Amino acid sequence: EVQLVESGGGLVQPGRSLRLSCAASGFTFDDYAMHWVRQAPGKGLEWVSGISWNSGSIGYADSVKGRFTISRDNAKNSLYLQMNSLRAEDTALYYCAKDKGGYFYDHHAFDIWGQGTMVTVSS
Amino acid sequence: QSVLTQPPSVSAAPGQKVTISCSGSSSNIGNNYVSWYQQLPGTAPKLLIYDNNKRPSGIPDRFSGSKSGTSATLGITGLQTGDEADYYCGTWDSSLSAGGVVFGGGTKLTVL
Repeated sequence: EVQLVESGGGLVQPGRSLRLSCAASGFTFDDYAMHWVRQAPGKGLEWVSGISWNSGSIGYADSVKGRFTISRDNAKNSLYLQMNSLRAEDTALYYCAKDKGGYFYDHHAFDIWGQGTMVTVSS
Repeated sequence: QSVLTQPPSVSAAPGQKVTISCSGSSSNIGNNYVSWYQQLPGTAPKLLIYDNNKRPSGIPDRFSGSKSGTSATLGITGLQTGDEADYYCGTWDSSLSAGGVVFGGGTKLTVL
């Protein structure tokens, strides 16, 4: 079964850090680009970051650039998001999503989504 | 304010047809593939349409997609109560610094 399982969310104070993980199974992980997409409570979808199959190309939304770092470990079939200097506006459900292609900048669609992990930034 | 513009809500009766529009620009829809997602209440988004008009396996042909210029449209025929959900369009946008994926604000479909 093709599956993405996120973990690492929780309640964190403003200015602190959190690391999200996404475990992939059921497909050849190192063939595809991967992304993080978030959804604030009651709001729409917002792309956060993407990484190509070989980590050779990476991109970030302006709202997180310089604070978040995406990475992947193809040997472990895992995707990560290191989130530093967290702000209240980063509060959201964070989804891990698989791209149909291998390069995040040659984006066709997100064909597999995890169930999400909730990040709440509050004092 | 989303880069792609969708109507906040649409509604139709069971069995009827509905269309959801997604408007953008040459830096996004005009020169890139459009995808559509269905998000049922309390669940993760699900891919309905990719590459403007292609359906993944398992998606019924009641769902269709089209693109013309800088706009795209999702069509749903034979509406069912189970189609009540939020629908999002998405595409690549090259105007963002280094580029990025953009979504519409979402359209809530009500099946009356």
